[in-house]
Amino acid sequence: KNQVEQSPQSLIILEGKNCTLQCNYTVSPFSNLRWYKQDTGRGPVSLTIMTFSENTKSNGRYTATLDADTKQSSLHITASQLSDSASYICVVSPNNAGNNRKLIWGLGTSLAVNP
Amino acid sequence: DTGVSQDPRHKITKRGQNVTFRCDPISEHNRLYWYRQTLGQGPEFLTYFQNEAQLEKSRLLSDRFSAERPKGSFSTLEIQRTEQGDSAMYLCASSLGGGRDYGYTFGSGTRLTVV
Repeated sequence: KNQVEQSPQSLIILEGKNCTLQCNYTVSPFSNLRWYKQDTGRGPVSLTIMTFSENTKSNGRYTATLDADTKQSSLHITASQLSDSASYICVVSPNNAGNNRKLIWGLGTSLAVNP
Repeated sequence: DTGVSQDPRHKITKRGQNVTFRCDPISEHNRLYWYRQTLGQGPEFLTYFQNEAQLEKSRLLSDRFSAERPKGSFSTLEIQRTEQGDSAMYLCASSLGGGRDYGYTFGSGTRLTVV
């Protein structure tokens, strides 16, 4: 069964600290993996997208890594800010048909950044 | 173009009433998707359009739901005879087709509450 599991479920850190969120998936075949940030009551916003051939991708203070062999990905947030408080969702596309209807969504990690 | 726009942001309706939501995608995107998201869950695919053609509908989309994209630009999602179980965030997303789905962008959603 295609699944995406994220850990931890929730995380509290102090402003300025770094953190790493984990994503394990069993989706096969695999096309690409995306990390989204979702603020409460808002739509998801794309942070990074990686194909199976990419190992790392950065977007400002966000750096995502991908190990397609172990089917693991991580999202590292550097120098956290209060505005980073949100849910971070790992999403895997199981096909390369260019159709997003089959995206497999994780349940997200809820991050709270405290002053 | 400021991204994907959804209207209204919030809608409260009485059970049994009909509601209609609108989505304006990014102008050059030919694919448009509707999702439903309940609290603590990832978005669930409802339906998608390529230009004006509705190419797939999820089994989640009962007969009370209908979506249109008459000119291949904006789309509407109508729910007839709303039920309390319809309460959710309804998200619209758009993307380029032809395997170029990395420009997959969500709107901020419409929060529906059925009382």
